[in-house]
Amino acid sequence: AQKITQTQPGMFVQEKEAVTLDCTYDTSDPSYGLFWYKQPSSGEMIFLIYQGSYDQQNATEGRYSLNFQKARKSANLVISASQLGDSAMYFCAMRGYYGGATNKLIFGTGTLLAVQP
Amino acid sequence: ETGVTQSPTHLIKTRGQQVTLRCSSQSGHNTVSWYQQALGQGPQFIFQYYREEENGRGNFPPRFSGLQFPNYSSELNVNALELDDSALYLCASSSQGEWADTQYFGPGTRLTVL
Repeated sequence: AQKITQTQPGMFVQEKEAVTLDCTYDTSDPSYGLFWYKQPSSGEMIFLIYQGSYDQQNATEGRYSLNFQKARKSANLVISASQLGDSAMYFCAMRGYYGGATNKLIFGTGTLLAVQP
Repeated sequence: ETGVTQSPTHLIKTRGQQVTLRCSSQSGHNTVSWYQQALGQGPQFIFQYYREEENGRGNFPPRFSGLQFPNYSSELNVNALELDDSALYLCASSSQGEWADTQYFGPGTRLTVL
């Protein structure tokens, strides 16, 4: 069975510093995708970054980068130069490849990030 | 913004009632997935619709049902509401066939069952 584990319920970071949010996963699928979403207090899930299991390089999107270590089954999110607006809940999620069938996302329990001025 | 819209924003119902939640997918997307997010938890997959057919279902009872329309918008129906159904209901649209197949979420409907 697929599973996502986020072991940090909450994190603090000073504004302008970098922060790493941890995510480990478990799957027996040979092909899978890993996602990070941001959920502000308003509730909307905002897509941040995607990493495919066969991607050779770590994904980057602006201030977000994904530290993908396949052998360790980890997909940590790194946010550089934190901003006050980064304060939110962050979810790691995994999608298995089912050949066009159920393409569900499996989410972790989330990490609440608080950016301090 | 993603272009995925949901209505209503908030809803209060009593136990035993029925509710219908609506979702309009992003332009060009043909797949809608529904998730339930209880307070303090990650979203849980309810089911997915692709070209008007249910395309997979999570561990939810049959009183959770859905529809997808020819314009790819979707409804989630919940019958015989229970207190534990109180949650944020999120829909996500995506374009089936693309490997990355990123799901883009709407703002959610917050359901309270009294």
